[in-house]
Amino acid sequence: GQSLEQPSEVTAVEGAIVQINCTYQTSGFYGLSWYQQHDGGAPTFLSYNALDGLEETGRFSSFLSRSDSYGYLLLQELQMKDSASYFCAVRDPPGNTPLVFGKGTRLSVIA
Amino acid sequence: DGGITQSPKYLFRKEGQNVTLSCEQNLNHDAMYWYRQDPGQGLRLIYYSQIVNDFQKGDIAEGYSVSREKKESFPLTVTSAQKNPTAFYLCASRRGLDVDTQYFGPGTRLTVL
Repeated sequence: GQSLEQPSEVTAVEGAIVQINCTYQTSGFYGLSWYQQHDGGAPTFLSYNALDGLEETGRFSSFLSRSDSYGYLLLQELQMKDSASYFCAVRDPPGNTPLVFGKGTRLSVIA
Repeated sequence: DGGITQSPKYLFRKEGQNVTLSCEQNLNHDAMYWYRQDPGQGLRLIYYSQIVNDFQKGDIAEGYSVSREKKESFPLTVTSAQKNPTAFYLCASRRGLDVDTQYFGPGTRLTVL
């Protein structure tokens, strides 16, 4: 079985930095993915970490610590359009299996 | 343009009626998935298919059925046996074994009256 834990809501100010954490318990582990979903829209892929460390893609970065079963998504220079839900996901068990998603963190960016 | 299409965007049905949600992809992906999303909730897996003519149940398959007769198509039928079918349904596909990127369709919002 698997479980992913992430905060349900986060609020941050425009222009600031926000970190969304995700802890996971899985029977095996390939890597941690992050998806963004705007209200009423489809989830879109943001990042994937298979190895420990930080992956940077523009204003977004994702970090993984396999030993701690922990990862986070870091959003810098927040913009109003970043207001959305963010989901972490894993494949469990590892292999050609579907992604299992956390319940999501709703990020509200305020002026 | 390659992508995943779902139709219709909004669907209304009376209680007790079966309804089929369409999902088509032209990405040449082998694997396809159906997820259900309820307000404020994550995505829960209903069914998935890794190759044509084969599919597996996900975590919440009861009251649903699927078929995979063509690589491009993976329709989902919500049957009258599904106790609480009102939800947002998302179809997704993935290229293969080596990637974690799943591509999602725009979703169908089903309301059962």
